[in-house]
Formats: sequence, C-alpha cells, structure tokens
Amino acid sequence: NAGVTQTPKFQVLKTGQSMTLQCAQDMNHEYMSWYRQDPGMGLRLIHYSVGAGITDQGEVPNGYNVSRSTTEDFPLRLLSAAPSQTSVYFCASSLLDRASPLHFGNGTRLTVT
Amino acid sequence: LAKTTQPISMDSYEGQEVNITCSHNNIATNDYITWYQQFPSQGPRFIIQGYKTKVTNEVASLFIPADRKSSTLSLPRVSLSDTAVYYCLVGDKDSNYQLIWGAGTKLIIKP
Repeated sequence: NAGVTQTPKFQVLKTGQSMTLQCAQDMNHEYMSWYRQDPGMGLRLIHYSVGAGITDQGEVPNGYNVSRSTTEDFPLRLLSAAPSQTSVYFCASSLLDRASPLHFGNGTRLTVT
Repeated sequence: LAKTTQPISMDSYEGQEVNITCSHNNIATNDYITWYQQFPSQGPRFIIQGYKTKVTNEVASLFIPADRKSSTLSLPRVSLSDTAVYYCLVGDKDSNYQLIWGAGTKLIIKP
C-alpha cells in the first residue's frame, strides 16, 4: 500500500518558470490538501479539496493553482515561480474531511533561484 | 488569525514520561484536537486525536480539560526514537474552521 506519493522529491526552478507538483493517493480518500513548510514555521495550508471536482483556497493560495479531476490525484501548479516559493511542499489526504487523521507524503523540496 | 501555542522545545531522558501542552483559545465547537509527529525530511505522522476528556492509544495519551482551551499530549517512557517535532492541530472558528497548525515542539530525548 503506497499511501500518499509525491513527485518529484527535489526540484530547482528559475524565477518565472512554471511547474506541477504531483500528488497521488491510493486509499480512496475524499479529502486532499497541500501544505508548505518553511524553516522555523508550522505547516501552512495552500489549497484543499473535499472531493473530485471541488477545490478551495487555504491560508496561502496566491501563486498556486490546483485541480481535482479524480479522487486519486491532486496536482499543485506553480504558475510563475518566485524565490518566496522556495519551501518544502507536503500533500496530505484523509478519509472524509479535515477532522479525520491526515496521511502525508514525504514532501517535495523546491528551490527557486 | 488565532494560533495555537506550544513550547518551542523540550528535553527529556529515556524512560521518562513527557507531557507537551498546547493552548488553543479559539477552538471550534465541533472540532477535534489532533497531534502529529514529524521526523526530519519526512511528512508529519498522526499520533492521536480527541474531542474531550482523555484518549489513549498504543503510543500516547491525550488529556483535554472541560473548557477545551488546551490539551496535553503524554508520551510514556520515551526512547531516543521519540526525538522529533510534535504538532498540535485544531480548528479555528475565526477562519472559517480552517485547520491551524501550531509552530510545533521540538522534543529531544537524551540517553
């Protein structure tokens, strides 16, 4: 059972480039979310989804887009990378909603130069 | 935006019981309190979840007073492998019930 799989593990971008961080889960979870984690800070919610076709903004959504076309996948798109988006990104899923225990991937470390 | 408050760091020794307290003054009425553990270069891992009074599982206990404005994670007989960052997670009624993560407590277990 793979759980939550994130790719890539590491990525370096130049300012202005775009890219998509991939997240897939094989647990048939309805709720999926993206967080970023910066040094010395807790996790901050970027976007989340309560089911296929439904997405909503979290605490820090600017500069990021998401879509949820299937239950399994929840990609995060950086439209025009900025140095301020240098961070570690985590994808998480839960069975029903935000009150259910979250299962996290192992993260994508992104550096924007 | 309301925040949770946890100690930044704590030290303890192998075999001791460790208690980490989280304050959450604006917890939502219907929200649960959840604790996670995070090792370096890994995503957080669920430890325990509760709504009120006391919850116990195979790795930890969670104590929640009647007013639910705080909670205490108790780790019995810690070992070196319990060295990690521990996060308290609650809902925030001032932000449309979005979950708010605390800054985390870095727990260091010494031999």
